[in-house]
Amino acid sequence: EVQLVESGGGLVQPGGSLRLSCAASGFTFSSYEMNWVRQAPGKGLEWVSYITSGSSKYYADSVKGRFTISRDNAKNSLYLQMNSLRGEDTAMYYCARVFQGGTVTTSDYWGQGTLVTVSS
Amino acid sequence: QSALTQPASVSGSPGQSITISCTGTSSDVGGYNYVSWYQQHPGKAPKLMIYDVSNRPSGVSNRFSGSKSGNTASLTISGLQAEDEADYYCNSYTGTSTLVVFGGGTKLTVL
Repeated sequence: EVQLVESGGGLVQPGGSLRLSCAASGFTFSSYEMNWVRQAPGKGLEWVSYITSGSSKYYADSVKGRFTISRDNAKNSLYLQMNSLRGEDTAMYYCARVFQGGTVTTSDYWGQGTLVTVSS
Repeated sequence: QSALTQPASVSGSPGQSITISCTGTSSDVGGYNYVSWYQQHPGKAPKLMIYDVSNRPSGVSNRFSGSKSGNTASLTISGLQAEDEADYYCNSYTGTSTLVVFGGGTKLTVL
């Protein structure tokens, strides 16, 4: 069974940093592209970042230069390092697997999310 | 990159059909056949319902179908059921540095 479990969220002050993790199981993690998608409270979905199986990395303009996506295939884990956090980064952060053979728009499995709150 | 435009809400009675639109530009929806649709129940993670405009993942009911005309993609749900009540989001590949843009979401109410 495919499982994605996020962790690392919490309350952080503006300007602070946080590292999110996503533990993957039930599939060959190294073979799949992965996404981070976020959802502010009561708002819609927003794509954040994408990493290919070969570790090419892409970011939304809203987080470029502040967030870094990475993966450790030996640990079946995906990460999102978030620096210089702002109030508008407050959201539930989901990691999601990209459908095999699909594009970055196609996430077929999602974790339950980890909540990041940026506030003083 | 602006969000795709979806109606804030739609409603229908059990057994009816409804269509949710998703309007973008020639730089996203109109330029690529990479539109996906997601269903999200309250407090739950999104679920992929349609990908590449009109393809259904394994396990998704054939009551869900997708299409595209010009810069507007559409999700049609036929034979509405109570469990279809949820928020629905479209997204599209953009070909820009922000690879993916989502719609603002549509709340479907089954009357």
